Amino acid sequence: DAMVIQNPRYQVTQFGKPVTLSCSQTLNHNVMYWYQQKSSQAPKLLFHYYDKDFNNEADTPDNFQSRRPNTSFCFLDIRSPGLGDAAMYLCATSRGASGSRNEQFFGPGTRLTVL
Amino acid sequence: AQKVTQAQTEISVVEKEDVTLDCVYETRDTTYYLFWYKQPPSGELVFLIRRNSFDEQNEISGRYSWNFQKSTSSFNFTITASQVVDSAVYFCALSEAGGNNRLAFGKGNQVVVIP
Repeated sequence: DAMVIQNPRYQVTQFGKPVTLSCSQTLNHNVMYWYQQKSSQAPKLLFHYYDKDFNNEADTPDNFQSRRPNTSFCFLDIRSPGLGDAAMYLCATSRGASGSRNEQFFGPGTRLTVL
Repeated sequence: AQKVTQAQTEISVVEKEDVTLDCVYETRDTTYYLFWYKQPPSGELVFLIRRNSFDEQNEISGRYSWNFQKSTSSFNFTITASQVVDSAVYFCALSEAGGNNRLAFGKGNQVVVIP
């Protein structure tokens, strides 16, 4: 089945220790998104790639970076995790279209714990 | 700027009762898209429905139905004869045609179905 895969599902890191979360997709969608979701809150968009074009949200901290080496893979790098970065990180994909009409497909998420 | 309001935070219903989730949106675009997503305890957001701004036809899918009214900027969601498996957080979201593929989420409705 075509899907969005996130690894690992649970990640524990230490305060200040860099961590990378990965996302892959078999949908061949050209748009990939990273969201941060804290407990009892809505997902918050961090950035997205439209093909190779990177689009950062204005309020995304510099501590968060992303890489998309090819269509299928996208990575979220947190350079120096703080306690406030503990959250669920959701990857999503969509078929890019003018007008933002296509639904996004989400992966199962990676729950990040910062000790 | 786009905005989505889901006023009810948590809703508890007894199994087999109906439950309606309200969604009110704000946008200046004349072309936009509305979505509902379900997030079960496992964490993955599941796409339920998309409606574009030019299509006010209501839709029914099994026990789910949606009522879109542009006059009141609302896109409400009803679960008929609720089941325990319906227990989840439900998010309403808005995407504007000029919004560069961004989804604006409401805060979500936590639905608890009591057996």
